[in-house]
Amino acid sequence: EAGVVQSPRYKIIEKKQPVAFWCNPISGHNTLYWYLQNLGQGPELLIRYENEEAVDDSQLPKDRFSAERLKGVDSTLKIQPAELGDSAVYLCASSPGLAEYNEQFFGPGTRLTVL
Amino acid sequence: AQKVTQAQTEISVVEKEDVTLDCVYETRDTTYYLFWYKQPPSGELVFLIRRNSFDEQNEISGRYSWNFQKSTSSFNFTITASQVVDSAVYFCALVDSSYKLIFGSGTRLLVRP
Repeated sequence: EAGVVQSPRYKIIEKKQPVAFWCNPISGHNTLYWYLQNLGQGPELLIRYENEEAVDDSQLPKDRFSAERLKGVDSTLKIQPAELGDSAVYLCASSPGLAEYNEQFFGPGTRLTVL
Repeated sequence: AQKVTQAQTEISVVEKEDVTLDCVYETRDTTYYLFWYKQPPSGELVFLIRRNSFDEQNEISGRYSWNFQKSTSSFNFTITASQVVDSAVYFCALVDSSYKLIFGSGTRLLVRP
């Protein structure tokens, strides 16, 4: 069974440029998560989807970040414009459903560097 | 509010030593779940264990064991006879009725040959 796929793995951009990250969850997983992981920290939730609906986006900085999950499968996270402080690893995860006991399966992440 | 504390930022041991990674959590809920994840240098978080708040039985899986104590709100992780391949960052995490997976800041384990 394929795991969570993310691309690109690495991205280097200059500040004020836009950037987008793509995630393909495990087949059949209805719940999809985007996390931000700063260096030396644990992941922090940005947004959670149940199928195509964003059920928790309270941590997403909506002035510059946006996300979508069309058709309830793949998801894209966008930053426009990027700032120096956005340099971090962006992790995508999926789980079979929205239950607190469900294990979340993580992708390898996209490491963003903003110059 | 939920919180997970991993006070040990970095631990260094020599191969074959036993090592315990500490985790202390806070939640107001009576029903919650605790997790441990491993993050090797490749970056992908790997699930190790899940424990629900009603099951305080300790668990052993090969060289790994977990000690869950509700009285002290702790969920510690022990690696017996550590190996170089155990070198990674280990995260403790909590989920309660908020459905949010709250991670600690992680403990970096370095196992030296």
